[in-house]
Amino acid sequence: QSALTQPPSVSGAPGQRVTISCTGSSSNIGAGFDVHWYQRRPGEAPKLLIYDNTNRPSGVPDRFSGSKSGASASLAITGLQAEDEADYFCQSYDGGLSLHVVFGGGTKVIVL
Amino acid sequence: QVHLQESGPGLAKPSETLTLSCDVSGYSITRGYYWGWIRQPPGKGLEWVIHMYHRGSTYDNPSLTSRVTMSIDTSKNQFSLSLRSVTAADTAVYYCVRFDMNKVVFDSWGQGALVTVSS
Repeated sequence: QSALTQPPSVSGAPGQRVTISCTGSSSNIGAGFDVHWYQRRPGEAPKLLIYDNTNRPSGVPDRFSGSKSGASASLAITGLQAEDEADYFCQSYDGGLSLHVVFGGGTKVIVL
Repeated sequence: QVHLQESGPGLAKPSETLTLSCDVSGYSITRGYYWGWIRQPPGKGLEWVIHMYHRGSTYDNPSLTSRVTMSIDTSKNQFSLSLRSVTAADTAVYYCVRFDMNKVVFDSWGQGALVTVSS
């Protein structure tokens, strides 16, 4: 069981907006640690999508946005495109465990 | 632009040692950053395994501490993972990664290598 909880899948039609939640606890996200998001398209290496809750690395479209509130974070994709069909993972740091790094279980985005 | 590529046997026998290598191109391992491994067992989420600085500082997942080691070969710009006494539970896709210790973020990933533990 992952330390961060994500829905197994979300779906939307092209052009729509979808959001993915990432719920943590008082020892990780709720403790103020930053959340990062990764995208893994089929057959490709995972890619850093959002870092430090809201920031996009160079080259990531502004259709992708991140937010954080309390012990949860969210990734939003607006103007959904076929190429956005992928697995998305959230990640943070846990100060209450010796694990240090924690991940969500991943969310499959399905473009209808 | 940094590129990471895993290599190694796709099959390991129970109780043996799993060894994987990661070739890094486009960036010198000695310039900074930590380097490490993440895995994903079938049907499960990502699991952090270990990361290491080229000068030796190492952090590993406590659930794997007794079995996992990592080494860096700066002359080859390459690093390796060793996981001893493997069982079927170690079957996973293993990713090599570059880790920004300050931000606690993995900013570059390899494509992943599937290792199956089976007799």
